[in-house]
Amino acid sequence: KAGVTQTPRYLIKTRGQQVTLSCSPISGHRSVSWYQQTPGQGLQFLFEYFSETQINKGNFPGRFSGRQFSNSRSEMNVSTLELGDSALYLCASSAVTSGDQETQYFGPGTRLLVL
Amino acid sequence: AQSVTQLGSHVSVSEGALVLLRCNYSSSVPPYLFWYVQYPNQGLQLLLKYTSAATLVKGINGFEAEFKKSETSFHLTKPSAHMSDAAEYFCAVSVGGSYIPTFGRGTSLIVHP
Repeated sequence: KAGVTQTPRYLIKTRGQQVTLSCSPISGHRSVSWYQQTPGQGLQFLFEYFSETQINKGNFPGRFSGRQFSNSRSEMNVSTLELGDSALYLCASSAVTSGDQETQYFGPGTRLLVL
Repeated sequence: AQSVTQLGSHVSVSEGALVLLRCNYSSSVPPYLFWYVQYPNQGLQLLLKYTSAATLVKGINGFEAEFKKSETSFHLTKPSAHMSDAAEYFCAVSVGGSYIPTFGRGTSLIVHP
């Protein structure tokens, strides 16, 4: 069974631009959650989608948004990039919602650098 | 609001020794608690979780954690450390039945031969 796939793996953008990251969950998984990891703020939860609906959201500004498609693939978008958005963005999938899951499976992450 | 404190940014043990990684949480309502591991240059992996069932939770790779409400703790243990356990470990708390985790700063486990 293929694991969680995240594309692209590395990305360089400049301030003010926008970026879209993609996450393909394990086949059959309906929940996708997103996380940001930075040296300064550590690990932070962004949001979770289940069956195309955002069911949980962390404390991030509206510049951070996401969506989930009918095939469970998910995208997250960051508009008007700031230097502080440089981070490793991780996504995870699980068969049921992340509060109930037997386990989550994480992707390798997308490393975003904002110049 | 919930919070998590991981005591010790680095913990060093010898191979074969007991691993004890400390996590204390703050929450006004019953929490869900999680331990995650991040191996060097890899993504996260869920080790185990507590969701108000058994207070002693067994996870993968021989790790377990015990929920102690009176101490507001959820320490992670493993009887015998392996070199392959060297990684960053994160404790997280979520409350209210929703999965909106707050993570600790992480503890780096160093295993000496």
